[in-house]
Amino acid sequence: DTEVTQTPKHLVMGMTNKKSLKCEQHMGHRAMYWYKQKAKKPPELMFVYSYEKLSINESVPSRFSPECPNSSLLNLHLHALQPEDSALYLCASSQELGQAFLAFFGQGTRLTVV
Amino acid sequence: TQLLEQSPQFLSIQEGENLTVYCNSSSVFSSLQWYRQEPGEGPVLLVTVVTGGEVKKLKRLTFQFGDARKDSSLHITAAQPGDTGLYLCAGLSTSTGANSKLTFGKGITLSVRP
Repeated sequence: DTEVTQTPKHLVMGMTNKKSLKCEQHMGHRAMYWYKQKAKKPPELMFVYSYEKLSINESVPSRFSPECPNSSLLNLHLHALQPEDSALYLCASSQELGQAFLAFFGQGTRLTVV
Repeated sequence: TQLLEQSPQFLSIQEGENLTVYCNSSSVFSSLQWYRQEPGEGPVLLVTVVTGGEVKKLKRLTFQFGDARKDSSLHITAAQPGDTGLYLCAGLSTSTGANSKLTFGKGITLSVRP
């Protein structure tokens, strides 16, 4: 199994809603990543977890709240988002933190904030 | 901040043509990765190059890492419509403490017409 699975694939939410994005991998990877990608732009790193601990937060607004409940799961909790937060949210994982170049990406969640 | 410049930004060619695209930086990277991404999907890793001067082939795709590990090229022979997509290069920093981050270029949008 070399997959990173993200759910849901599409999400539409209002600015007052609370929703969560989920990411799962069963490759035994200990580093997991959240990226945000706007249309026709490259992915931008948001958060990095290593061994279920937050390692990097790229100054992401607090309306995005990551959580890593165990080594296979990574969540991104969303609250009070703005329309400009609409984007493709990508999850990735790698064997270890220093091996980001061997990261596998999920298919992404297309988020639309209305 | 380490930047990766990709060129050309957009490329539209006829099926069967050859093409070369570039990924350049003024910084040295410990490795460079090339990804292909289709609309609404996550990036799929094509290749990682690590050694200066390295050449790797993946069917009709040839990747080269510059001798100084600052640049890379991707050559596609006899392009096919299935090669259409966004080609992203990403570099892993040589700086300690930053080795968990991939720096992405802005990408090259390739369209291969039948």
